[in-house]
Amino acid sequence: AQSVAQPEDQVNVAEGNPLTVKCTYSVSGNPYLFWYVQYPNRGLQFLLKYITGDNLVKGSYGFEAEFNKSQTSFHLKKPSALVSDSALYFCAVRDEYGGATNKLIFGTGTLLAVQP
Amino acid sequence: EAQVTQNPRYLITVTGKKLTVTCSQNMNHEYMSWYRQDPGLGLRQIYYSMNVEVTDKGDVPEGYKVSRKEKRNFPLILESPSPNQTSLYFCASRAGTENQPQHFGDGTRLSIL
Repeated sequence: AQSVAQPEDQVNVAEGNPLTVKCTYSVSGNPYLFWYVQYPNRGLQFLLKYITGDNLVKGSYGFEAEFNKSQTSFHLKKPSALVSDSALYFCAVRDEYGGATNKLIFGTGTLLAVQP
Repeated sequence: EAQVTQNPRYLITVTGKKLTVTCSQNMNHEYMSWYRQDPGLGLRQIYYSMNVEVTDKGDVPEGYKVSRKEKRNFPLILESPSPNQTSLYFCASRAGTENQPQHFGDGTRLSIL
């Protein structure tokens, strides 16, 4: 069975400092990994994905994520946080062998709070 | 503009009164899905549809129905709502291949009294 874990309910960081939001996963085959961001009163917005290839993936708004197969992790990072990055972040995974269900499994979300 | 549109955005209603939440996408996507979001539980899939007239249950389908008569529309029906269906609901769509990201609507907040 596939699963994804976001071990931190909340991450606090000062503006200008680097940020990391953690995600680990479990799948049978190779993973398709995604990060989404949710701003208040809005739906989820796609940030970036890893399907295959380079382990460092760059996405929207200066975010990037590093795929680590041995640690089964896909942590979201940004070199310099902005107050406007404050939002709820979701990691999601799909097994390449998901078959007919094509289901994307979401983590429980991590609230990122960037202090001025 | 590419978008997924849900209506209504907010609804307060009473137990047992049938309601429908509409979802429409303008990207010609084959795949559509409904999720509910609850604190501490993340997003859980209710139903999904691979294409017109093809629907299937997700993880939490009890108490819900869906239909997919047209490619662009995927309504969520609560025939006899109960308080445990109070939640934030999201519709999403994506192109056919599994490695494509999903596009989400802005959500519908349902309160069942």
